[in-house]
Amino acid sequence: AQSVTQPDIHITVSEGASLELRCNYSYGATPYLFWYVQSPGQGLQLLLKYFSGDTLVQGIKGFEAEFKRSQSSFNLRKPSVHWSDAAEYFCAVGYTGTASKLTFGTGTRLQVTL
Amino acid sequence: EAGVTQSPTHLIKTRGQQATLRCSPISGHTSVYWYQQALGLGLQFLLWYDEGEERNRGNFPPRFSGRQFPNYSSELNVNALELEDSALYLCASRRIGSGGATDTQYFGPGTRLTVL
Repeated sequence: AQSVTQPDIHITVSEGASLELRCNYSYGATPYLFWYVQSPGQGLQLLLKYFSGDTLVQGIKGFEAEFKRSQSSFNLRKPSVHWSDAAEYFCAVGYTGTASKLTFGTGTRLQVTL
Repeated sequence: EAGVTQSPTHLIKTRGQQATLRCSPISGHTSVYWYQQALGLGLQFLLWYDEGEERNRGNFPPRFSGRQFPNYSSELNVNALELEDSALYLCASRRIGSGGATDTQYFGPGTRLTVL
């Protein structure tokens, strides 16, 4: 069964500092990988996705993520964090076909200090 | 292009009642997914509908049910509400295709269900 691990429950960074959120997955085939962001009381907004090809993917709001098959990882990065980036971030792995669904990690809450 | 919409925004029910939540997918999307985000339990897959049929179901009791209408909108029904059903219910839609961009789920803002 597929699973996603986000080892960091809560991260605090200073505005302007770099950010890396970790995500590890367990899946028997080449995964479809996603990062979503959720502001308090809101739905999920897609930041970026990986299906195939270039292992470094660019997303919205200056985020990027790198797929590393050897490490089963899909870490999210941003070179300079803004106060508005404070939110909860979810990594997810997707099935295709008849079992289509997303399996989410437990999320990482990002706090940004000024 | 309008995104996924959900109604109502908030819903307050008492234990034992029934709740009905609604979702309208993005135009051109035929698949609708429901997820539950309960405190301490994370985001859990509930149901998947495509072309009016239930295609997959998560590990939830039968009192969680739903349907998809010919216009691809969807309803989630929760019968015999229990306190632990209090959660944010998220709907997502997807355009079925051969993979790639069509395998992306786009989420609505959610319905906050509170069971008293």
